[in-house]
Amino acid sequence: KAGVTQTPRYLIKTRGQQVTLSCSPISGHRSVSWYQQTPGQGLQFLFEYFSETQRNKGNFPGRFSGRQFSNSRSEMNVSTLELGDSALYLCASSLEGYGYTFGSGTRLTVV
Amino acid sequence: AQSVTQLDSQVPVFEEAPVELRCNYSSSVSVYLFWYVQYPNQGLQLLLKYLSGSTLVKGINGFEAEFNKSQTSFHLRKPSVHISDTAEYFCAANTDKLIFGTGTRLQVFP
Repeated sequence: KAGVTQTPRYLIKTRGQQVTLSCSPISGHRSVSWYQQTPGQGLQFLFEYFSETQRNKGNFPGRFSGRQFSNSRSEMNVSTLELGDSALYLCASSLEGYGYTFGSGTRLTVV
Repeated sequence: AQSVTQLDSQVPVFEEAPVELRCNYSSSVSVYLFWYVQYPNQGLQLLLKYLSGSTLVKGINGFEAEFNKSQTSFHLRKPSVHISDTAEYFCAANTDKLIFGTGTRLQVFP
């Protein structure tokens, strides 16, 4: 059974640019959550999608957005990148919240 | 509001010694509780979870945790650690979303 796949693994962007990260969940999982991990703030919840609908949202500015497709794959977009957006972005898929399986993450560096 | 507290940011221990990583949660509703491990440059791997039932939960790699509702704790234990257990450990609680503690760095010395 394939795990959660996140692409790309590493990304370098310039301030002001935008970026799109991709997450393919475990087959059959309809819930996809996104987290930002930084040394200073730890693991922070961004948002969760379930069956193409945003079900929950964390306390991030509107520059952070996401969507989920009919095959449960999800994308996360960050517009107008800031240096502080440099982080490891983790995606997790879940079968109705009873356990979250995480991908290896996308390491975003904003320069 | 739901929150998770990991009291120890770092725990140094010698190989083959026992270890306990502490986790307390606060929630006004029933929660599901989890422990994850993160190795350098990797994502999070689920060690164990408590959903309901027996309060002693056994996980992978010889780890176990005990759910204590009266003390709102979910401490992680291992009777004998290995060098390979060196990693960051995160406690998490889920009601409507998964909330993490700040992590505990377990450093195992030979």
